[in-house]
Amino acid sequence: SFVLNQPPSVSVAPGQTARITCGGNEIGTKSVHWYQQKPGQAPILVVYEDSVRPSGIPDRFSGSNSGNTATLTISRVEAGDEADYYCQVWETTSALVVFGGGTMLTVL
Amino acid sequence: QLQLQESGPGLVKPSETLSLTCSVSGDSITRRNFFWAWFRQPPGKGLEWIGTIYYWGTSYYNPSLKSRVTVSLDTSTSQFSLTLTSVTAADTAVYYCAKAVSPLAGHWVDPWGQGTLVTVSS
Repeated sequence: SFVLNQPPSVSVAPGQTARITCGGNEIGTKSVHWYQQKPGQAPILVVYEDSVRPSGIPDRFSGSNSGNTATLTISRVEAGDEADYYCQVWETTSALVVFGGGTMLTVL
Repeated sequence: QLQLQESGPGLVKPSETLSLTCSVSGDSITRRNFFWAWFRQPPGKGLEWIGTIYYWGTSYYNPSLKSRVTVSLDTSTSQFSLTLTSVTAADTAVYYCAKAVSPLAGHWVDPWGQGTLVTVSS
């Protein structure tokens, strides 16, 4: 089945830019969505369809997707951005939802 | 504003059946293009999709759970439900219900319920 690979952790200083990658075979042909999950809370959608921000999500969050890698970029990182981030696709061939393993973002 | 709330037992014995209900408020459970999904997250681990249903009956299941899972929907009560049979300790997790868009649109999920912890133990 389709596998999404995320780095287990990413660390960044406040005010800097964090890039969280999601790798998969020809993922650029799929629609990728990103979720933020803080400890003890439900996930929140932060980007859908590769690069669209839902209402209420700061424009510091952006997404891109090409080739074998999708990327969630968080600009001007704040302490409140510290969380786990998951990428997700719908795998058409197998008709199932696939999540990446998640990336823990640490704000130094 | 659409809201979802899970309910059900927090403790289930091994080999028994786990049953959870999700109550939908703030919008219609039969609204076009709204799909209804269940996910779970074992303690300290990542997210896993369980299954998705559309109000007119179309459903999709995770192949790894399909033999044990049923997702159903009751339009009269604006609720949808999850049934998972023959549970083991590996089914211990926080279970989330959520609204999704059509798989043809990528099945992105928003919003999620707050989640409910289900522990499988004797």
